[in-house]
Amino acid sequence: QVQLVQSGAEVKEPGASVKVSCRTSGYTFTGHYIHWVRQAPGQGLECMGRINPSGGGADYAPKFQGRVTMTSDTSISTVYMELSSLRSDDTAIFYCARQAMVGTYFDYWGQGTLVTVSS
Amino acid sequence: DIVMTQYPDSLAVSLGERATINCKSSRSILYSSNNKNYLAWYQQKPGQPPKLLIYWASTRESGVPDRFTGSGSGTDFTLTISSLQTEDVAVYYCQQYYATLSWTFGQGTKVEIK
Repeated sequence: QVQLVQSGAEVKEPGASVKVSCRTSGYTFTGHYIHWVRQAPGQGLECMGRINPSGGGADYAPKFQGRVTMTSDTSISTVYMELSSLRSDDTAIFYCARQAMVGTYFDYWGQGTLVTVSS
Repeated sequence: DIVMTQYPDSLAVSLGERATINCKSSRSILYSSNNKNYLAWYQQKPGQPPKLLIYWASTRESGVPDRFTGSGSGTDFTLTISSLQTEDVAVYYCQQYYATLSWTFGQGTKVEIK
């Protein structure tokens, strides 16, 4: 069965960076893009960008360009999202989500990783 | 960006009654070359990630109960829960995937039991 398992909660100070992992299993890792979606407390869903595990190319939403880096490691079927220059309003749950085969909607999601930015 | 606006923001429906959620896009998300609407619906329960319910505006994901129905085209879409069950209490989101590299969600609609 398809699974996306994310790393645990993080607490960071303003200005620091955070790196969240998303370990996948149950399907061909290089066959699907992985997206990262942010959800601030009590708020909606916001796409941050995506990575193609086959080749490692990534596309970032303009809002996060310059602060986010997405990478992949095919040897362990894992993708990573690093967000730098953290601010208090980056406090959120970050989800990885698998892009479906035939359209850019998300058919499987990780459980989410809470990142708290606080001094 | 294509702006997705859902309404209402919340609704309370009696068990067994119909719940209707609307989603409007700021421009058409119907791709004329394949006649497909690039719209998905998700359900998010408290403390859980979103779950895919519907894609291509009306195609139910495998395993989703048939009381969930998606409809609409162009800029106006609807998610209908034909007979609300207790397990349907959640926030529902629409998402457009028409605009490459600029995928956007609606603000969400909270469904509760009356």
